Amino acid sequence: DTAVSQTPKYLVTQMGNDKSIKCEQNLGHDTMYWYKQDSKKFLKIMFSYNNKELIINETVPNRFSPKSPDKAHLNLHINSLELGDSAVYFCASSRRGSSRGQGLYSGRPYEQYFGPGTRLTVT
Amino acid sequence: SQQGEEDPQALSIQEGENATMNCSYKTSINNLQWYRQNSGRGLVHLILIRSNEREKHSGRLRVTLDTSKKSSSLLITASRAADTASYFCATDPSGTYKYIFGTGTRLKVLA
Repeated sequence: DTAVSQTPKYLVTQMGNDKSIKCEQNLGHDTMYWYKQDSKKFLKIMFSYNNKELIINETVPNRFSPKSPDKAHLNLHINSLELGDSAVYFCASSRRGSSRGQGLYSGRPYEQYFGPGTRLTVT
Repeated sequence: SQQGEEDPQALSIQEGENATMNCSYKTSINNLQWYRQNSGRGLVHLILIRSNEREKHSGRLRVTLDTSKKSSSLLITASRAADTASYFCATDPSGTYKYIFGTGTRLKVLA
């Protein structure tokens, strides 16, 4: 029944390791996002995919690489983990309205559905 | 500074009272959304208001939007202990779908 699911829920690892977080949505949405929430609860967008195409790529170290094998999945791989990567990572999905001939950033807005988050602790 | 900034940062009220949170933003927007986050959980969408709307209601929630002042408010009436959570506004500058979240208001409703 879970709309947006993430695994794992908790991830504790050492500096320098490589880890992946998986996200799946069963809502039939065509757009998925990764957000990072720091210890002060500040939530910042990292990436967004629309129909498996990367459309938002914020200023994020290239150690972070998203991969979308299909519209329902968006995984996040992180290389050479650093202490500052410790945070809660949220996956989200939404519909994205579009009108023919008006480009990607058109159409009506839709709400986002968030996963439960993955708490990453780098030691 | 942040696109969206909520105030107050924290709010503590008694059950039954109303809670009002404000969000200010800097650039023009296509729409503004409010989300709730319970401790240790993901965000849950509450309400979306478009830039051409001034007020929206959903149950005990009332959202206003003043684009001339670049601000929005979320009013929760007759609050309950279960409303205890952090509340975030999210703006979509000019319909780019790159949502920017505010710093959040931590609401505590005392039973």
